[in-house]
Amino acid sequence: EVQLVESGGGLTQPGGSLRLSCAASGFIFSSYEMNWVRQAPGKGLEWVSYISSSASTIYYADSVKGRFTISRDNAKNSLYLQMNSLRDEDTAVYYCARTLLRAFDYWGQGTLVTVSS
Amino acid sequence: SYELTQPPSVSVSPGQTVNISCSGDKLGGKYACWYQQKPGQSPVLVIYQDSKRPSGIPERFSGSNSGNTATLTISGTQAMDEADYYCQAWDSSTHNFVFGTGTKVTVL
Repeated sequence: EVQLVESGGGLTQPGGSLRLSCAASGFIFSSYEMNWVRQAPGKGLEWVSYISSSASTIYYADSVKGRFTISRDNAKNSLYLQMNSLRDEDTAVYYCARTLLRAFDYWGQGTLVTVSS
Repeated sequence: SYELTQPPSVSVSPGQTVNISCSGDKLGGKYACWYQQKPGQSPVLVIYQDSKRPSGIPERFSGSNSGNTATLTISGTQAMDEADYYCQAWDSSTHNFVFGTGTKVTVL
């Protein structure tokens, strides 16, 4: 059974940093592209970042470019999102999602990031 | 940046058919997919590559994509289908995944 479990969310002040993790199991992690997607409270889905299976290709949404860094450790079956210079508008539930044919076929349960003073 | 527009809400009676539209420039030239999200839950992929259903998704869910509009159709709608639905596409010019604005489906 495919499982994606996010962790690392919490409360931080504007300008602060957080590192999210996503532990994958039930599939060959190193064979799949992965993404982070977020959802602000009461709002729609917003794609954040993409990483290829070998980490050779990385993309970011303009809203986080230069502040967030996606990475992965295929030996540990883990995906990461380093978030720096956090803003109020980064408050959201962050999901990791597996990519298949340009769609997100499996999602984690999400981890809540709250940026507030 | 590329945008996908959906109607904010649609309503349907149990057993009837509902169509949810997703509009974007030349969307028919891209692959569209659809997600269902119930309150407090993670999104679930219900249609990918315009019209394919993942394993476990009921046959009452179908999709199409042509011109500037992709459409998700739910036939024989059930109360359990009440949820938010989002379309999504990959924009190769910006290397961005793009989500639609979302549609709340109410089963009356």
